[in-house]
Amino acid sequence: EAGVAQSPRYKIIEKRQSVAFWCNPISGHATLYWYQQILGQGPKLLIQFQNNGVVDDSQLPKDRFSAERLKGVDSTLKIQPAKLEDSAVYLCASSAGATSYNEQFFGPGTRLTVL
Amino acid sequence: DAKTTQPNSMESNEEEPVHLPCNHSTISGTDYIHWYRQLPSQGPEYVIHGLTSNVNNRMASLAIAEDRKSSTLILHRATLRDAAVYYCIPSYDKVIFGPGTSLSVIP
Repeated sequence: EAGVAQSPRYKIIEKRQSVAFWCNPISGHATLYWYQQILGQGPKLLIQFQNNGVVDDSQLPKDRFSAERLKGVDSTLKIQPAKLEDSAVYLCASSAGATSYNEQFFGPGTRLTVL
Repeated sequence: DAKTTQPNSMESNEEEPVHLPCNHSTISGTDYIHWYRQLPSQGPEYVIHGLTSNVNNRMASLAIAEDRKSSTLILHRATLRDAAVYYCIPSYDKVIFGPGTSLSVIP
């Protein structure tokens, strides 16, 4: 079974530029998550999708971050414009269902450096 | 969401058992107790979860206190590959990661 795919794996940009990350979840998984992990901290949930609808985006900085999940499969996370404090690893995860009972499967992450 | 307390770091010798503790005194009756781990430069991976009874799988065992206010993840024989950050997460819906316990395994 193929895992969660993410691209790119690494990205370096200057502040005020824009950047986009892509995620392809495990086939058949209805729930998709984006997390931000700052060095030395645990992952922080940014947004959760159930199929193509948003379940929770309470911690998404909506003035600069946006995310979409077209047709309930792939998802993109965009930052525009980027700030220095956005430097982090962005993790995508998917699960078969929306409750914590359902195991989340994580991708390898995209490491973003904002200069 | 239940608050958790885990040691910042622990050390273990290779091939010895490791007991990783977690206190979650504010856990609610419907919260499962999940453990995930994150190996260096990788995304987190699921380890085990339980509700009330102790649980075993191929990776680890989970011992849950009778009052459910604490739990212990048990790795029966630590290997170098088990060096990771271990997260204890009591939850029914959201999976919220704290700082976890960084486990070092000494050869």
